[in-house]
Amino acid sequence: EPEVTQTPSHQVTQMGQEVILRCVPISNHLYFYWYRQILGQKVEFLVSFYNNEISEKSEIFDDQFSVERPDGSNFTLKIRSTKLEDSAMYFCASSADIPFFGSGTRLTVV
Amino acid sequence: SQQGEEDPQALSIQEGENATMNCSYKTSINNLQWYRQNSGRGLVHLILIRSNEREKHSGRLRVTLDTSKKSSSLLITASRAADTASYFCATDFNDYKLSFGAGTTVTVRA
Repeated sequence: EPEVTQTPSHQVTQMGQEVILRCVPISNHLYFYWYRQILGQKVEFLVSFYNNEISEKSEIFDDQFSVERPDGSNFTLKIRSTKLEDSAMYFCASSADIPFFGSGTRLTVV
Repeated sequence: SQQGEEDPQALSIQEGENATMNCSYKTSINNLQWYRQNSGRGLVHLILIRSNEREKHSGRLRVTLDTSKKSSSLLITASRAADTASYFCATDFNDYKLSFGAGTTVTVRA
């Protein structure tokens, strides 16, 4: 069964460092998303991406965040200068109709 | 915000019993989806119900949707220990993002 793959599963980074979270969406899907879930809280929408551009983004997705589809298969989320409050589980999803979620990257900023 | 809100926040039942949880939302939607999340893991899609549908079944799951009341319910019949997880409803009104509720934590006691 096709699945969305995220790497790494866990990333620890120093505050102020840049991180790149990677995702390989399902191959025939056209819509791509990033969500995050701070421990014990709701899953929150960050950004959606369609036709090689951002289609919608939330207030959370400020100038510190960017997304890219560098090579037609990977979909990345970059956080330019991480803060402690960026610590969360980050989920990638892709869809043709129903979104399929990856198993997440747990980002810990220390 | 059109976020779904689940009720109850937590539910503890005996194996073999049924578990029912509810979701309310605020604005018109295209679809409503239910997801399961095992502790610290990814989101698993359970079932999607479209705004013109009233009831849907998948195995031991039964979902209802009442658009006049802006509410949905998820029933898990004959629960098993493996059903222990958090369950989230997620609503969408466009193709670009889902809004998740805070979830219902279900514990199935053996």
